[in-house]
Amino acid sequence: QSVLTQPPSVSGAPGQRVTISCTGSSSNIGAGYDVHWYQQLPGTAPKLLIYGNSNRPSGVPDRFSGSKSGTSASLAITGLQAEDEADYYCQSYDSSLSGSGVVFGGGTKLTVL
Amino acid sequence: QVQLVQSGAEVKKPGASVKVSCKASGYTFTSYYMHWVRQAPGQGLEWMGIINPSGGSTSYAQKFQGRVTMTRDTSTSTVYMELSSLRSEDTAVYYCAREMRGIAAAGTGALSFDYWGQGTLVTVSS
Repeated sequence: QSVLTQPPSVSGAPGQRVTISCTGSSSNIGAGYDVHWYQQLPGTAPKLLIYGNSNRPSGVPDRFSGSKSGTSASLAITGLQAEDEADYYCQSYDSSLSGSGVVFGGGTKLTVL
Repeated sequence: QVQLVQSGAEVKKPGASVKVSCKASGYTFTSYYMHWVRQAPGQGLEWMGIINPSGGSTSYAQKFQGRVTMTRDTSTSTVYMELSSLRSEDTAVYYCAREMRGIAAAGTGALSFDYWGQGTLVTVSS
């Protein structure tokens, strides 16, 4: 079980908008730690999609956007394209009595119908 | 351009150790933290730890404490991750990943990973 909870899968038709949620707790997202998002195509290393909750690295299309509120965060993809089909991971930092460190969500598989 | 090039695939027996290398180029090696993340087959991402290439200090995920050692060689701009007492559950692709925000920098990007190595498959099997 991952510290950050994501839906296992989401789907959408080309051109549609989809969102992927990332739910944490008071020891990670709710504590004010930033959330970052990654896209992983099959057989490749993850690629940074969103950093600092809502910032896009250079080269990432503005179809991708991130937000954070309370103990949760979301990744939104608008104008869905076939090449967006991939696994998506959220990531933050967790600080609890049992230890501290970087934590990831379990990942969400996006299917473009 | 920034590149992280990792060593090749490894096959190890249970109980053995493995050492994976990650050679950095295209930036000042000692100015950015490096992390290690692994991914078991068909599974999600798991953070293992961080090394400061400048002074060599490290911090490991509690799960790997006592089994993992991260080191660096500044003369070759290479970081290493050694995992001991291997078991079948350690079969995974191991990635090095550079932290986006520089060690001495301010602003956003802390603890996000902007460049990743290509991954090294470590298979543990008898």
